[in-house]
Amino acid sequence: SYDLTQPPSLSVSPGQTVSIPCSGYELVNKYVCWYQKKPGQSPVLVIHQDTKRPSGIPERFSGSTSGDTATLTISGTQAIDEADYYCQAWDSNILWVFGGGTKLTVL
Amino acid sequence: QITLKESGPTLVKPTQTLTLTCAFSGFSFNDGSVSVAWVRQPPEKALEWLAVVYWDDDRRYSPSLKNRLTITKDTSKNLVVLIMTNMDPVDTATYYCAHSADSGWAFDSWGQGALVTVSS
Repeated sequence: SYDLTQPPSLSVSPGQTVSIPCSGYELVNKYVCWYQKKPGQSPVLVIHQDTKRPSGIPERFSGSTSGDTATLTISGTQAIDEADYYCQAWDSNILWVFGGGTKLTVL
Repeated sequence: QITLKESGPTLVKPTQTLTLTCAFSGFSFNDGSVSVAWVRQPPEKALEWLAVVYWDDDRRYSPSLKNRLTITKDTSKNLVVLIMTNMDPVDTATYYCAHSADSGWAFDSWGQGALVTVSS
């Protein structure tokens, strides 16, 4: 089976930049996306195809992938960005695989 | 605007079969290159992909749950149904249906979720 590894938790001060890593074997060769998940709400796609932001997602969200690691970066983090973030990878062999999620605390 | 909504029982007993329905609007399987998937999230745990049905009726399942899952679509009614057999308390989760089309196999729209509790 294919595994994606994320740190369980991270914290950031308001206005600062935070990077959330996601590691998996040859992740650069897969489609990678990121979701924001707040308690009691459905997941929201914030990055797809490694670097693309869906319409309506603030510019402070960006993504990159290199080698075995994908990274979600939030610049100028705001209190409303406090949430769980999940990476997800796809290719025709593994299909859809989610990471374990990272709880982001803004304090 | 794409919307999806899950429906089904909130409580099932161990060993029973769960049937969940996803009713959607704003797109059609006739559009081509569309898929609808089921994803679940147990309390305090991570998201888990379960199954997907493509516009051409191809279906794929999570390897770990493949033997218990069936996914079907009704193109004329804009419905997708997930059947999960032999339910267990560890299957207690919020079950989501989600749409994928033009975002590199990402799920760009999600339903509100349906909480299913497995308990005797």
